[in-house]
Amino acid sequence: SQQGEEDPQALSIQEGENATMNCSYKTSINNLQWYRQNSGRGLVHLILIRSNEREKHSGRLRVTLDTSKKSSSLLITASRAADTASYFCATAGYGGSQGNLIFGKGTKLSVKP
Amino acid sequence: ETGVTQTPRHLVMGMTNKKSLKCEQHLGHNAMYWYKQSAKKPLELMFVYSLEERVENNSVPSRFSPECPNSSHLFLHLHTLQPEDSALYLCASSQERIAGELFFGEGSRLTVL
Repeated sequence: SQQGEEDPQALSIQEGENATMNCSYKTSINNLQWYRQNSGRGLVHLILIRSNEREKHSGRLRVTLDTSKKSSSLLITASRAADTASYFCATAGYGGSQGNLIFGKGTKLSVKP
Repeated sequence: ETGVTQTPRHLVMGMTNKKSLKCEQHLGHNAMYWYKQSAKKPLELMFVYSLEERVENNSVPSRFSPECPNSSHLFLHLHTLQPEDSALYLCASSQERIAGELFFGEGSRLTVL
């Protein structure tokens, strides 16, 4: 399965600290995406990184991709209480059913003020 | 506001009831999706529609019946559900059918008694 698997399952940090979440997957991918979900709400797209890219930035977010290790990481710098949410990675392959986004179970991030 | 609207936000139904979930997207996207989110499980892709044609049905029981009358609307008809069907049902849309960025609605929280 190309399903991503996030690590850790839960992370608790203080405001101002950095938060790092990891995602591992099993098969070759077209791209990898990170999403955020506040409790009981829908998912919001954060960032997409293609298989030929190694790093992308968006504001306080930094995503890396290592296709040789089949892994990605999401770094949130200078975290805020408002960053408290669940974060999911999702992978997509090439064409047909493999082009569907498959999600992991997520990392639950708690940022304490 | 993500441009994807789901109604109702909350639904309680008995096992013999028939109800429907509605999703509307205002983004001009070509693909629409139903995902199921249960506690402690990854998001499960249920159905995919591309240009109003169903292209994926991931072994979903027949008590769930999707309908896509046009590219902006998606329904999930529910009948004779089981308590284990209680979950958050998320609708999403994307411009690109393969590996595209998903825009999610806020979800419909379903409780089956």
